[in-house]
Amino acid sequence: AQKITQTQPGMFVQEKEAVTLDCTYDTSDPSYGLFWYKQPSSGEMIFLIYQGSYDQQNATEGRYSLNFQKARKSANLVISASQLGDSAMYFCAMREPRDNYGQNFVFGPGTRLSVLP
Amino acid sequence: NAGVTQTPKFRILKIGQSMTLQCTQDMNHNYMYWYRQDPGMGLKLIYYSVGAGITDKGEVPNGYNVSRSTTEDFPLRLELAAPSQTSVYFCASSNPGQGAGNTIYFGEGSWLTVV
Repeated sequence: AQKITQTQPGMFVQEKEAVTLDCTYDTSDPSYGLFWYKQPSSGEMIFLIYQGSYDQQNATEGRYSLNFQKARKSANLVISASQLGDSAMYFCAMREPRDNYGQNFVFGPGTRLSVLP
Repeated sequence: NAGVTQTPKFRILKIGQSMTLQCTQDMNHNYMYWYRQDPGMGLKLIYYSVGAGITDKGEVPNGYNVSRSTTEDFPLRLELAAPSQTSVYFCASSNPGQGAGNTIYFGEGSWLTVV
């Protein structure tokens, strides 16, 4: 079963508008972290925002906010006031403890966002 | 601010050749990872390590080997390269614990083509 689901392979948004990228996750561990990464065409992975499973408030980082709905196991990324430079692949990821030792980072398939002028 | 450094950035291999992707990190992270990313897809874990001398298989380990002799270095060895190993490879590192500070940090990626 997929641990991270991103149901939108591609999204378009008009410049200066807001956009929501969907992410649902599956875990039975009560302690986990949720992340969003941006991957521009140059290929590097850029950390955007983090939400811990015990955090009461939704995370925000500048124009990025994370709409965390724990009961629904949903961690959607909201980008406000989209810019042309936001065009990229966006990956949702989850960190959870491993059974034996260490931690596991699992990534979703990604959503390609295109910002239109 | 080196972070995670991986080399080479680009490489073309012939079928059956072998090579090593080098990875080093200067953040004193305990955990290190190798992922591969096929075109238009997400990242799949090849191998990971929780410390020097300790490695374990991830989701797609076949055709690869790793070693972790020091905290800093985590090379990935490709033996008998096959076209199915054409991919972008990312080395990454993290520290144990919760919080945004324990996120995973990536190298810039290595583009490998097997012909």
